[in-house]
This record gives sequence, structure tokens and C-alpha cells, in this order.
Amino acid sequence: AQSVAQPEDQVNVAEGNPLTVKCTYSVSGNPYLFWYVQYPNRGLQFLLKYITGDNLVKGSYGFEAEFNKSQTSFHLKKPSALVSDSALYFCAVSPGGTTSGTYKYIFGTGTRLKVLA
Amino acid sequence: EPEVTQTPSHQVTQMGQEVILRCVPISNHLYFYWYRQILGQKVEFLVSFYNNEISEKSEIFDDQFSVERPDGSNFTLKIRSTKLEDSAMYFCASSETLIGEQYFGPGTRLTVT
Repeated sequence: AQSVAQPEDQVNVAEGNPLTVKCTYSVSGNPYLFWYVQYPNRGLQFLLKYITGDNLVKGSYGFEAEFNKSQTSFHLKKPSALVSDSALYFCAVSPGGTTSGTYKYIFGTGTRLKVLA
Repeated sequence: EPEVTQTPSHQVTQMGQEVILRCVPISNHLYFYWYRQILGQKVEFLVSFYNNEISEKSEIFDDQFSVERPDGSNFTLKIRSTKLEDSAMYFCASSETLIGEQYFGPGTRLTVT
């Protein structure tokens, strides 16, 4: 079955330190990969995506993510965390690039990022 | 910046009642989606909609559910006879292209009592 895993329910990091939020997926073929952030009482906000090309993709607010096909991972990173980055982060995979041809999102369970001042 | 809007933000209904959740997607978007998130669980795909018809639906999306785009702006999800287990946050999303990123609304919290 197709699935997305975010192994950490919560990640704590000190302000100014680099952060990593992990995501691995189990989808055959060449899926499309996305990261979203959710602030309280807000919808899911798009951060970045990988469709094809360079394995390191840059997105909003200084976030970037590295696609690793052999490890089926798409970890979210930021060189220097801000307190305002504290939120819930979701990894999503669309099998659209595979033979199944479906473009729905399969979500991970979310990781709560807490940046400490 | 254009955004997806949803109304109401919170809906409380009794079991067996019909509810309609409303969404206004971004105006030039062509692909529309509904997802739901039961408290403490993953966000799950319900249905996708394009060119006035359902493109794909999940096993959750049974005969109690329907979607409609009644005019050029609204996209609705109807649950005909709500069950307790339909209590969840429902998110609408839209995208400009098939492989483009989806933009999500703030959600409607549905509580079935």
C-alpha cells in the first residue's frame, strides 16, 4: 500500500540552529513530493515541491528539501530556525508521476516543530 | 494573494441530518479536491473533481457523499445523512494544473452529535 511516514511527532530545535523534519514514502515509480505547513486555525500552506530535476528544492520562508530516490526520502530543512517557524508540518506525496496516474495527495501524520528562543 | 475560502468554519449537526460544506476555490484553478482529517489522524483524500465530474474518489466517499460545482465559483460537499464518524475537519483544495501544488482552505470543522 502507498504510504508516507513522518517518524517524529515533534521536533524541538533552538532558534538559530539548523532544523530537519523527516519524511519517507512508499510509492512506486516517480511520485511528486510536497511540504505544507499549518498554523493554528489556518489551512495547509504550500512550502515547496519536487516534481523532477535538481534533488535540492528551495521553497518559501528559507525552507528547502532534499529528494533522495534511493532512500525514498524527502526531508525538510532550514539552515537557521526562527521561533516563528513553530507550526505543524505535513509531507505529502502524489503518485501522479507513476503508472497509477492519480494526483491525490497521500499525507504523513504531521510533525510539530517547536523552535525555542 | 488569492486563497481558498470555506464556509462555515464550524458546523454542528445531529446524526442523520444533511450538511453542505461550501468552498470557493481560487478563481483560475481547474482541479478541485476534498480531504478530511479526523481528530488525531492523518489528512485523507475524499474526492477530486475536474471538468464538472468526479475524477477520482476514495473508499470513504460512498453514496452518502456528493460534490457539486453549482456555479462558476462554488464547490460543495454534501453529506446526505451524517453519522457520528463523519465528525472531522474537512479541507477543500484547488490547483491550477494537474501536477501543480494544491492550495488548501482553512477547513470546516464538522461535529455530528
